[in-house]
Amino acid sequence: KAGVTQTPRYLIKTRGQQVTLSCSPISGHRSVSWYQQTPGQGLQFLFEYFSETQRNKGNFPGRFSGRQFSNSRSEMNVSTLELGDSALYLCASSPGQAHSGNTIYFGEGSWLTVV
Amino acid sequence: KNQVEQSPQSLIILEGKNCTLQCNYTVSPFSNLRWYKQDTGRGPVSLTIMTFSENTKSNGRYTATLDADTKQSSLHITASQLSDSASYICVVSSSGGYQKVTFGIGTKLQVIP
Repeated sequence: KAGVTQTPRYLIKTRGQQVTLSCSPISGHRSVSWYQQTPGQGLQFLFEYFSETQRNKGNFPGRFSGRQFSNSRSEMNVSTLELGDSALYLCASSPGQAHSGNTIYFGEGSWLTVV
Repeated sequence: KNQVEQSPQSLIILEGKNCTLQCNYTVSPFSNLRWYKQDTGRGPVSLTIMTFSENTKSNGRYTATLDADTKQSSLHITASQLSDSASYICVVSSSGGYQKVTFGIGTKLQVIP
């Protein structure tokens, strides 16, 4: 069974640009959640999608958005990039809602550098 | 405000030795607590998940404990191996209509020969 796949793995963007990251969950998983990881803040929860609906949201500005498609694949978008958005963005999938007791499976992440 | 604090921040131990990592939380209402292992440059991997009624959960050489009264958890690693070198992250979820999840900053463990 294939794991969680994230693309691209590495990317460099300029301040003010926007970026879209993609995540393919494990087959059969309906929940996809997104996280930001930085050395200073550690892991922080961005949002979770379950059956194409956003079910949970962390404390991030509106520049961070996401969506989920009918095949459970998900994308997250960051608009008007800031230097502080440089981070590892992790996607995870689970069979049911992510933080209600289901095991969560993480992808390898997308490394975003904003210059 | 929900918080998860982990200690120590970093730890170096000799191969074959045991170690214990700590996690204190102030998350309410409590739903579950997880421990993850994250190798450098990789995504986290789930080690254990514990709910309110569970005191202990094992996964091979990893044993997690939970004291819901004192809001403390520990992760004990037995007979450490070089491959245990990683960051260990404690994550606590709260229940309710809009679930919140709070991450600890992690403990960086280095196992040396």
